[in-house]
Amino acid sequence: DIQMTQSPSILSASVGDRVTITCRASQSISRWLAWYQQKSGKAPNLLISKASSLERGVPSRFSGSGSGTEFTLTISSLQPDDFATYYCQHFHSYPLTFGGGTKVEIK
Amino acid sequence: QVQLVQSGAEVKKPGASVKLSCKASGYTFTHYYIHWVRQAPGQGLEWMGWITPYSGDTKYAQNFQGRVTMTRDTSISTAYMELSRLTSDDTAMYYCARDRDVVIPPAAPYNWFAPWGPGTLVTVSP
Repeated sequence: DIQMTQSPSILSASVGDRVTITCRASQSISRWLAWYQQKSGKAPNLLISKASSLERGVPSRFSGSGSGTEFTLTISSLQPDDFATYYCQHFHSYPLTFGGGTKVEIK
Repeated sequence: QVQLVQSGAEVKKPGASVKLSCKASGYTFTHYYIHWVRQAPGQGLEWMGWITPYSGDTKYAQNFQGRVTMTRDTSISTAYMELSRLTSDDTAMYYCARDRDVVIPPAAPYNWFAPWGPGTLVTVSP
């Protein structure tokens, strides 16, 4: 199975900060990666697919990059609505697996 | 609008089975794979498998092989997930999620998920 490792697990930041979350795969997954945002008590919401394709309706302050084994999700200017937990997910092969999550907290 | 509505919370004894439903609306049910993903309390996300409503074909994660059964009823646009031989480790929120884009089998699913249902909480307790 492909292991997905996110860092950091918790990130404290302020409104307006630039935030970067890293996701590493245990083997190359090309660009077969998605990012989700999950707010407390809610289902996840797709932000980005294929490493960098922004889902329709997702604010442009979100961006994704990377290929192979290392990927990043960047929020260019953190907004109050962005405080949540973020998960990466590969879809290179079965089983599909997720990273452990990064909780973005208010500093 | 596309919507997935899931059945209500369940409380089960160890060793029992649970069958959850996921009713789709706002799109052609048979044209999109449906995935099931679970999340234990305070934990991360775990993919369980998918079903294609078009043919009923399924693919299960190895961790659930032999214990999970995914089915569908196209007449009411509903997918089901049944998990047997429950233990306390199965206590979790169970989500159904639609594959992101139209796929007609035998083409493979895209395997990223949007939208998700609101989830069904399953509690396994003696």
